Amino acid sequence: QPVLTQSSSASASLGSSVKLTCTLSSGHSSYIIAWHQQQPGKAPRYLMKLEGSGSYNKGSGVPDRFSGSSSGADRYLTISNLQSEDEADYYCETWDSNTRVFGGGTKLTVL
Amino acid sequence: EVQLVESGGGLVQPGGSLRLSCAASGFTFSSYWMHWVRQAPGKGLVWVSRINSDGSSTSYADSVKGRFTISRDNAKNTLYLQMNSLRAEDTAVYYCARRDYWGQGTLVTVSS
Repeated sequence: QPVLTQSSSASASLGSSVKLTCTLSSGHSSYIIAWHQQQPGKAPRYLMKLEGSGSYNKGSGVPDRFSGSSSGADRYLTISNLQSEDEADYYCETWDSNTRVFGGGTKLTVL
Repeated sequence: EVQLVESGGGLVQPGGSLRLSCAASGFTFSSYWMHWVRQAPGKGLVWVSRINSDGSSTSYADSVKGRFTISRDNAKNTLYLQMNSLRAEDTAVYYCARRDYWGQGTLVTVSS
């Protein structure tokens, strides 16, 4: 079963960009992942599906400021032109036929 | 518009039971695998269970295996989670989820 590792926190200034990282465990570097956003006090929201090739497909209504990329076992979520509403927890997730596995989440603070 | 609306949460004593429901709309429910994911207070997301589109196959996290049962009624567009032998550590917000959509969650509190 894959394990996903995320930094516990990140911060960036309003209007700047930030790149969040999710690392797949050894032997699982080809896995597709998804990114989810959870604003304070709200349910999670699906952002995108991201392949090992770097190809990504965003969910309905996800702003253009959100993009994905990949390098080896690392999957990235880049948020450009940071807005105050981007302050949230960001979770990566992967899956197989029987389970879904989530990373521990990264708490993003917008300064 | 895809909507997932959970209900059935509440306060229950340790060892008790609860059944959660999730009413789905805005998509062809019978075509999708569905999941329950939970989040303990202040903690991250944890997958609980999944069921395939026709209900013939299910899977559970080890922490709930033998105590929780996932099911669905495709005629009613509804997903269920029967939770038995509840423990304090089952206290969490429970989310009904498709791969790409989430419900708003329902809070389950297990306490005496």
